[in-house]
Amino acid sequence: DTGVSQDPRHKITKRGQNVTFRCDPISEHNRLYWYRQTLGQGPEFLTYFQNEAQLEKSRLLSDRFSAERPKGSFSTLEIQRTEQGDSAMYLCASSSLPDRVSYEQYFGPGTRLTVT
Amino acid sequence: QKEVEQDPGPLSVPEGAIVSLNCTYSNSAFQYFMWYRQYSRKGPELLMYTYSSGNKEDGRFTAQVDKSSKYISLFIRDSQPSDSATYLCAMSPGAGNKLTFGGGTRVLVKP
Repeated sequence: DTGVSQDPRHKITKRGQNVTFRCDPISEHNRLYWYRQTLGQGPEFLTYFQNEAQLEKSRLLSDRFSAERPKGSFSTLEIQRTEQGDSAMYLCASSSLPDRVSYEQYFGPGTRLTVT
Repeated sequence: QKEVEQDPGPLSVPEGAIVSLNCTYSNSAFQYFMWYRQYSRKGPELLMYTYSSGNKEDGRFTAQVDKSSKYISLFIRDSQPSDSATYLCAMSPGAGNKLTFGGGTRVLVKP
């Protein structure tokens, strides 16, 4: 077993290029979340899915960002026309369907993006 | 003002000491509270999870939630150098909702 996995672990790209990240959640988890973390800060929520449905998007997720989870398993996060301000750690988390008292999100190792 | 406030530290303690961490929050709707540990350039690792008010203990870790004061705490007993990391509090108003994080407290346990 395996926890949440993310690929690639590191990505260096030039400003203006498009990048795509992949997240594979824990296999029985229905919910998948994306967060962004900059140096010295806590993670900030971007978006989340329940199965294939994208249920919420943050205002942080500009039009250059798009996320998909086409078959309710893995998810991709694409950033178009990258800017230097996009440099951050992109974290994926997953959880099972929550009940009233049980709700835990497990994080992957993250993808560190550097835009030059 | 941020919804969740956390002292950034660093907090330096000798090995074997008790580490005391806390967060304050402003959103009274938060009901689910978590503590994560994050090593440098790694993803957050879930340490403790608490629903509503009260205490929870797991090994060397104790989490406390005081919803009336909007204040949560994490205590680490018998601290070890391997506990040196950044500790993040996180909370949510409902099961399955997004987490709102504090900025993290950096902890250094000196041998």
